[in-house]
Amino acid sequence: AQTVTQSQPEMSVQEAETVTLSCTYDTSESDYYLFWYKQPPSRQMILVIRQEAYKQQNATENRFSVNFQKAAKSFSLKISDSQLGDAAMYFCAYREGTYKYIFGTGTRLKVLA
Amino acid sequence: ETGVTQTPRHLVMGMTNKKSLKCEQHLGHNAMYWYKQSAKKPLELMFVYSLEERVENNSVPSRFSPECPNSSHLFLHLHTLQPEDSALYLCASSVGTTIYGYTFGSGTRLTVV
Repeated sequence: AQTVTQSQPEMSVQEAETVTLSCTYDTSESDYYLFWYKQPPSRQMILVIRQEAYKQQNATENRFSVNFQKAAKSFSLKISDSQLGDAAMYFCAYREGTYKYIFGTGTRLKVLA
Repeated sequence: ETGVTQTPRHLVMGMTNKKSLKCEQHLGHNAMYWYKQSAKKPLELMFVYSLEERVENNSVPSRFSPECPNSSHLFLHLHTLQPEDSALYLCASSVGTTIYGYTFGSGTRLTVV
């Protein structure tokens, strides 16, 4: 079965600095999709970025980018120029099958002013 | 406006009560989901409806009963719950293929006393 591991329960970053959140996964598939979701205190999970495994290029969305290492099965999220509004839980997810996602346990990001 | 609306936001119920959670989306999505989010655990997929037909049921106890009367509405009927069922229940929707991610609601915080 596929698994998703987020080994950092909590991270802190100074405002305007850069932080990287780690995610590893296990799969025997060659084509798949990976996601990072943000869950602020409002509780709504918001899609931050997605990566298609067959694309070599790392996905980027404004200040958010990923470092996708397919052979290592690693999918880390880099947040540049961190802002107070980035403080949230961040979840890595792997798409398994047509409908189901496998989520990690999350990383709580604190942004220090 | 999130696009996926869940009510109520909070719910406290006794173990002998019957209550229902409601989820509504007007995004034109044709798949809807119930996830359970417990502290320090990965999100657990409970049910999936595609085109109003249940396509996945992840060994959820029968005290949870889903209903999808149309593609815009999803309910989770609760009866004789246990304290360990206390959690955040998240509804999500997607287009038929989930390669673009889910859209989540803000969840219902359920406390069983």
